[in-house]
Amino acid sequence: RKEVEQDPGPFNVPEGATVAFNCTYSNSASQSFFWYRQDCRKEPKLLMSVYSSGNEDGRFTAQLNRASQYISLLIRDSKLSDSATYLCVVMTRSNYQLIWGAGTKLIIKP
Amino acid sequence: NAGVTQTPKFQVLKTGQSMTLQCAQDMNHEYMSWYRQDPGMGLRLIHYSVGAGITDQGEVPNGYNVSRSTTEDFPLRLLSAAPSQTSVYFCASSYSTLAGASSYNEQFFGPGTRLTVL
Repeated sequence: RKEVEQDPGPFNVPEGATVAFNCTYSNSASQSFFWYRQDCRKEPKLLMSVYSSGNEDGRFTAQLNRASQYISLLIRDSKLSDSATYLCVVMTRSNYQLIWGAGTKLIIKP
Repeated sequence: NAGVTQTPKFQVLKTGQSMTLQCAQDMNHEYMSWYRQDPGMGLRLIHYSVGAGITDQGEVPNGYNVSRSTTEDFPLRLLSAAPSQTSVYFCASSYSTLAGASSYNEQFFGPGTRLTVL
């Protein structure tokens, strides 16, 4: 089983819709969580950190469920520019290394 | 600030050839790392460095060497290229990797090097 798993998608979503996807992690010692965004043939860029209490940044909401070992990303009022691959990243307490999911591809259609 | 720069952007090698991928950052970051990204897989850590003169192996270090003689530069050397090393290589840097979801952990990536080994 992969340490960090994501549905590869693609998620095809009409503009203006709300979309959500999850990321599951296997190591219960995981301590820090992040969402990165990667545009086609570009480098990943930090979208947001995920805090225990959940956090929001504009149209984006990230949540953490430690009991079920997953994090989620919700995008409201989706824009064409949201089309990208969203990477889930987990840091474990043991060695502080980042473990990356393979990403979920999102396509926003007009 | 240029951020993280990588050269070359594209490279084609023949099996057995060696080469060095260059990476530099101008943000005075302590932590630098090299990843490879393959289709259907997450970024995998090759080598990393927590400061000048200090390097360590990541998840997939075989076939690669690194050095960190300065804070700014972190080159990755392919010793004898193999087709299995065909991938996109990203260099990244951050202030640190202290535990906690803080700005210190944000990874800044270079634009990547697309390497093909024939």
